Amino acid sequence: QKEVEQNSGPLSVPEGAIASLNCTYSDRGSQSFFWYRQYSGKSPELIMFIYSNGDKEDGRFTAQLNKASQYVSLLIRDSQPSDSATYLCGHNQGGKLIFGQGTELSVKP
Amino acid sequence: DTEVTQTPKHLVMGMTNKKSLKCEQHMGHRAMYWYKQKAKKPPELMFVYSYEKLSINESVPSRFSPECPNSSLLNLHLHALQPEDSALYLCASSQGPSGTEAFFGQGTRLTVV
Repeated sequence: QKEVEQNSGPLSVPEGAIASLNCTYSDRGSQSFFWYRQYSGKSPELIMFIYSNGDKEDGRFTAQLNKASQYVSLLIRDSQPSDSATYLCGHNQGGKLIFGQGTELSVKP
Repeated sequence: DTEVTQTPKHLVMGMTNKKSLKCEQHMGHRAMYWYKQKAKKPPELMFVYSYEKLSINESVPSRFSPECPNSSLLNLHLHALQPEDSALYLCASSQGPSGTEAFFGQGTRLTVV
């Protein structure tokens, strides 16, 4: 079983819609989780960091963490074509930043 | 300022060459990381330095040799690489070794010929 699992996509949503990205993890001891956005050919950019159960909002982005069910999700409201990228979720496990396979998001105008 | 600076941005090297990748941060972060990323794959951890000491080596071949001269700098020395080592090499830093946000540099695109 992979430590962090994401749907690889591609996920396609129309402009203005809500994009929902999901991630599950296997290590119950994991404490902190993050979402990165990576444009093609560029480096990952941190967009959300969450360590408490519940929701964390930052602009159009909302991260949701449920430690009991071992999932973390990212909602992008009012999706824009500029949101088209690969989204990587992951967690810190014993000093290692472990990433899922990434979900490719395409926002169509 | 969340800037991590990597040099060079692009590097082409022969299989007999020796080269070095450099990474610098001035955020006072005490954990620094090297990752390797192939196309369409997530970043793959290579090394972690915590408080200037190598804390994690993910069984990386010895042709990759990390070095942390001080708390702001991280180097990756390359020697006798293979074409399959061609990838995007990413440096990242975080405030501490666990449970804190990590910020990536822009990466070095390495091609081994």
